[in-house]
Amino acid sequence: DTAVSQTPKYLVTQMGNDKSIKCEQNLGHDTMYWYKQDSKKFLKIMFSYNNKELIINETVPNRFSPKSPDKAHLNLHINSLELGDSAVYFCASSQTRGLNGELFFGEGSRLTVL
Amino acid sequence: GDSVTQMEGPVTLSEEAFLTINCTYTATGYPSLFWYVQYPGEGLQLLLKATKADDKGSNKGFEATYRKETTSFHLEKGSVQVSDSAVYFCALKSNYGQNFVFGPGTRLSVLP
Repeated sequence: DTAVSQTPKYLVTQMGNDKSIKCEQNLGHDTMYWYKQDSKKFLKIMFSYNNKELIINETVPNRFSPKSPDKAHLNLHINSLELGDSAVYFCASSQTRGLNGELFFGEGSRLTVL
Repeated sequence: GDSVTQMEGPVTLSEEAFLTINCTYTATGYPSLFWYVQYPGEGLQLLLKATKADDKGSNKGFEATYRKETTSFHLEKGSVQVSDSAVYFCALKSNYGQNFVFGPGTRLSVLP
């Protein structure tokens, strides 16, 4: 069973469209994250939810809206896609009780905006 | 705020060479430190971690020691293999929050 799974793995779309990426974790973790990885492999935190509550909201355009229906799911919706949104988006989860909870990553969703 | 600096590479080595990838951090308190590895086309996987000063994390022949006095967590491997070719990320997790801060990643290529 995949611990952190995200779908779809690949997205190719036109500028101006709206798209969603879904993420689910079966590890029983209480915190989930979205990261954006650019073409140079640099990882940037976008959002984090703890038990469905938004706890990290970095400087991200309003066109990006996360939704966490329960603590096992964190979806990302992107409106009015722009060329600069092309990247790989990674979902991750961790357990915050205790200091040494590590991050578990999904396989990534590669978004290409044409 | 917290930050992680690591050599950006790319690093190219011959098989069986010794590997060091430097990582230094800035953080308040006593963060946990991690090395993650990303193989081509895959997500990041935890390689090793250390949660307090002088701890040594190790896995698959890789090692890193948490050095508080130099705020460093350098990754080493005595003899690299072609299969170690990947991007390596140093990261920290502050004990004051739930954010993980990543370095820029170091691409390693090992040639046969």
